[in-house]
Order: sequence, then C-alpha cells, then structure tokens
Amino acid sequence: EAQVTQNPRYLITVTGKKLTVTCSQNMNHEYMSWYRQDPGLGLRQIYYSMNVEVTDKGDVPEGYKVSRKEKRNFPLILESPSPNQTSLYFCASARWADSYNEQFFGPGTRLTVL
Amino acid sequence: KQEVTQIPAALSVPEGENLVLNCSFTDSAIYNLQWFRQDPGKGLTSLLLIQSSQREQTSGRLNASLDKSSGRSTLYIAASQPGDSATYLCAGASNTGNQFYFGTGTSLTVIP
Repeated sequence: EAQVTQNPRYLITVTGKKLTVTCSQNMNHEYMSWYRQDPGLGLRQIYYSMNVEVTDKGDVPEGYKVSRKEKRNFPLILESPSPNQTSLYFCASARWADSYNEQFFGPGTRLTVL
Repeated sequence: KQEVTQIPAALSVPEGENLVLNCSFTDSAIYNLQWFRQDPGKGLTSLLLIQSSQREQTSGRLNASLDKSSGRSTLYIAASQPGDSATYLCAGASNTGNQFYFGTGTSLTVIP
C-alpha cells in the first residue's frame, strides 16, 4: 500500500530534550515536506526537500532541522524543543514530474513540549 | 508570498444539498492548487489537484475549478451526504511549485 508513515504518533517531552520525528514514504517520491498545524493558523510549511541531499526552508523553519540522506526518509529534528513547538506535525511527499506534484500526507504526530 | 483564504470558516447544510466551498489566493502565478479533506484527529486526504494550465478537475461528486486571473478556486460538492462532513482545506503552490500555502479550512457539517 502506498503510504507516508510517521513515528511516533504521539509524543510528550520536556523543554530542551532533543527529539526526532521520523517520516518515510514508499512511493519513490522526490519531494518531501514537513508542516505544523496550529488552531487558527492552519498548516505552515517548515522545511521541504526536492531530492536526496537537497533541503530548503519553508515559512517557519526556526528551531527545526531536517536531513535527506535517503530518498524515502525525511526526519524532523528538534534540537532543543520549547513549549511553542507544541503542535500537530505532518509529513508529506509528492512526485516531481512535469507540474504534477500532488501531495500525500502522513497521519500526523502530536507533540507536546512541557 | 502566497496568501490563501477560505471563507466561510464553517458551513452547515441539509443532506442532499449541492454546495460550493471557496478558496482565494493572492498570487496569480500559482503553480497548482490542491484540495484536501481532513477528518477530526486525522491526516489530510487529497481530493483534487488542479494544475496551473487547467481550469477544472472532477472526481465523482466533486468538481474543483481554478481561475488564476481572479485568484479564486471553488470546490463544488453535489448531493451532499453526512459522510462528507469534515474540514476542507485548499493549498496553493508557489510559482516554482516547491512551497505550499494552506488556507485555514472550511468545516462542513451535513445534517441527515
């Protein structure tokens, strides 16, 4: 089954404790992206990657890191989480051919930073 | 930067009614526009993608249109059903196609 998976689905942590949220897709998509969703603000793009070893900032990259060492994986790293990073996080992937870049989303990771 | 707006924020209709959801964007150099559905506590499900060269796309009871000159897209749902109840989101891609900007969604309730 074609899908985007994220782990963990739920995470409660404390301020300053480094964490990684994993994202993996099995559709051989070139493009991957991370978003956060907050009430009243909608989804905002954190980082995206056009292909292996190619990453770029979205609208809200502060406090986050990403890497793209393999085509299928795109982990989101919070080096020193703070309470304002409490949010619902989504990973997405899309093929990159012509102008057809339909995004497919993972199930989300709900992060709480105390 | 693309700004995407969805009005109204919430909509309630009786079952069987045809309805239109609106999405407005500020930059007419939009690469494409995608409509999603989000159920409570769940991820986003892609409904329709309209490429910049297209005017509309159809899937079953859904029809989405794109008018770049006026900065508008609409999602038409025919013969609404209670199972259509969800939040509908639109996302516009930047002119290079690699950045995406979401509206805050329209929460739809279809009353049996």
